[in-house]
Amino acid sequence: AQSVTQLDSQVPVFEEAPVELRCNYSSSVSVYLFWYVQYPNQGLQLLLKYLSGSTLVKGINGFEAEFNKSQTSFHLRKPSVHISDTAEYFCAVIPNTGGFKTIFGAGTRLFVKA
Amino acid sequence: EPEVTQTPSHQVTQRGQEVILRCVPISNHLYFYWYRQILGQKVEFLVSFYNNEISEKSEIFDDQFSVERPDGSNFTLKIRSTKLEDSAMYFCASSGQGSTEAFFGQGTRLTVV
Repeated sequence: AQSVTQLDSQVPVFEEAPVELRCNYSSSVSVYLFWYVQYPNQGLQLLLKYLSGSTLVKGINGFEAEFNKSQTSFHLRKPSVHISDTAEYFCAVIPNTGGFKTIFGAGTRLFVKA
Repeated sequence: EPEVTQTPSHQVTQRGQEVILRCVPISNHLYFYWYRQILGQKVEFLVSFYNNEISEKSEIFDDQFSVERPDGSNFTLKIRSTKLEDSAMYFCASSGQGSTEAFFGQGTRLTVV
């Protein structure tokens, strides 16, 4: 079975500061890794994904994430956040066993303050 | 760009009533899913559907839930007798051969009163 742990339920940060949202996963098989963003009362938007290859992946809105196999982590980073980045962020995995069942973490609420 | 479409965006229903949530997956996709997100909580897997049958379901997906692909384009989730705790955002998703992710709809917010 797979599981995803997001280590911080809430992350407050000032505008223009850097931010890192942490994600660890557990799986006995290889996985694809994802970050989604959910703005208030809206659906899920894919920020970025890791499938294979370079461990640093870049996504939309200036976000990037780094896959670390030895630490089973996939932390999300942004060098300078904006007020508009305030949202819920979900880390997720899809086990590479066929099918596309997505397993989500509990989410991290990023709150950007002026 | 093809997308997964869900209707309605918001539905209010009385406790005990039946509801049907509708989804139109991306046209050449073969794998279909429903997820649930109770307000303020994580997104939880409900059920996956492939080759006209349920391929996997979670503990949440009990006898009051059912899924159907009635006409080759729609994918529906039926809740037979809604309870207050069924109030949530329901997401439909689909994937196809060669996909590397599931594509999510914008969700239906179900409110049971």
